[in-house]
Amino acid sequence: IVMTQSPATLSVSPGERATLSCRASQSVTTNFAWYQQKPGQAPRLLIYGASTRATGVPARFSGSGSGTEFTLTISSLQSEDFAVYYCQQYNNWPPYTFGQGTKLEIK
Amino acid sequence: EVQLVESGGGLVEPGGSLRLSCAASGFTFTNAWMTWVRQAPGKGLEWVGRFKSKTDGGTTDYAVSVKGRFTISRDDSRNTLYLQMNSLKSEDTGVYFCARVGVETIDDWGRGTLVTVSS
Repeated sequence: IVMTQSPATLSVSPGERATLSCRASQSVTTNFAWYQQKPGQAPRLLIYGASTRATGVPARFSGSGSGTEFTLTISSLQSEDFAVYYCQQYNNWPPYTFGQGTKLEIK
Repeated sequence: EVQLVESGGGLVEPGGSLRLSCAASGFTFTNAWMTWVRQAPGKGLEWVGRFKSKTDGGTTDYAVSVKGRFTISRDDSRNTLYLQMNSLKSEDTGVYFCARVGVETIDDWGRGTLVTVSS
């Protein structure tokens, strides 16, 4: 299963909303996750089951979608949210497959 | 608190071998499915392989890119996961993360260890 994220880079101002997309090459139902990675750090699980926030993840992060189309929305960007975001499917694994990442940068 | 600490990375020549270790704490390691994920410099995440818990069969699976060259093992008495890497290639260069597979997917990650394959 190939995961394709868009856009590759997203420039947004602090306080604004960011919307990131991920498409799967075939249905993964809701066996889908989002991760955040900051430079020099390990990825952090944000969303699993397509829409469930992981422990400690702020409510401004929300996930939606099922099947082949998924969206991560960050409602009001904080400075600490600027990072790279990866989508991942775990419906049909092994292997786990990740998207190529979306870099969220400050506008 | 879950902690995963990788070690064993370094510089190795093409064709060489390296063994990575991952010391786990803060959870019942025996019951956990564990996995390795790597990241080439400036690139995205690539799943390497997994080791199911012994109670779930204790089997391993590998990415096509490493199958036959890499071997994952675990020592539940030491709460440690291993990644034996043989016949290393330049494209194996990257940070290797040890991670725990939770109820749904990978939920805890180590900080990673850097492997550089170069002559």
